[in-house]
Amino acid sequence: DAGVTQSPTHLIKTRGQQVTLRCSPISGHKSVSWYQQVLGQGPQFIFQYYEKEERGRGNFPDRFSARQFPNYSSELNVNALLLGDSALYLCASSREGRGYEQYFGPGTRLTVT
Amino acid sequence: QQPVQSPQAVILREGEDAVINCSSSKALYSVHWYRQKHGEAPVFLMILLKGGEQKGHEKISASFNEKKQQSSLYLTASQLSYSGTYFCGTEMGAGNNRKLIWGLGTSLAVNP
Repeated sequence: DAGVTQSPTHLIKTRGQQVTLRCSPISGHKSVSWYQQVLGQGPQFIFQYYEKEERGRGNFPDRFSARQFPNYSSELNVNALLLGDSALYLCASSREGRGYEQYFGPGTRLTVT
Repeated sequence: QQPVQSPQAVILREGEDAVINCSSSKALYSVHWYRQKHGEAPVFLMILLKGGEQKGHEKISASFNEKKQQSSLYLTASQLSYSGTYFCGTEMGAGNNRKLIWGLGTSLAVNP
């Protein structure tokens, strides 16, 4: 079975621009979580979606939004990019919304200049 | 809310043992353990759902003390492949406000 896939792998944007990151979960997984990881730190929770509904939200500004589609894939949108948004964005999928192991995709490296 | 991991870094020689601790000031529903190698995504190791639960996989095991709100990861007879950063994650919240909050990680280096 294919693992979690994310696109694009790398992205360079300018301050003020908007970006959309995409994630396809493992087949059969209904939950998708998004994380931001800055170099040298642990992943910071952004969102969790389960069955197309938001089930959790981290301490990120409203510039960050996400959605999950009927096929359980997900998009993370970030508006009005700041330099501090530069990070590795990880998507993880799991079978259920809670208490199950998460499988991570390779991430999208976002650089804001 | 962020769980606290200790130690921050460990250097071992192949074959030595190590313990990584994860503690929280909040009640824990579950504890997740992951390992991340440089430039790669985190990889699931194990999840503990109940107080007193212990799990093991090969020479890596973990325990969860619900009353003390802490978990420990035990690496026995370490191998070179164990090198990486180990993260614990704790599930918090309820209803539509659930979060998996991660510690800052413990860097483990296993040398020949």
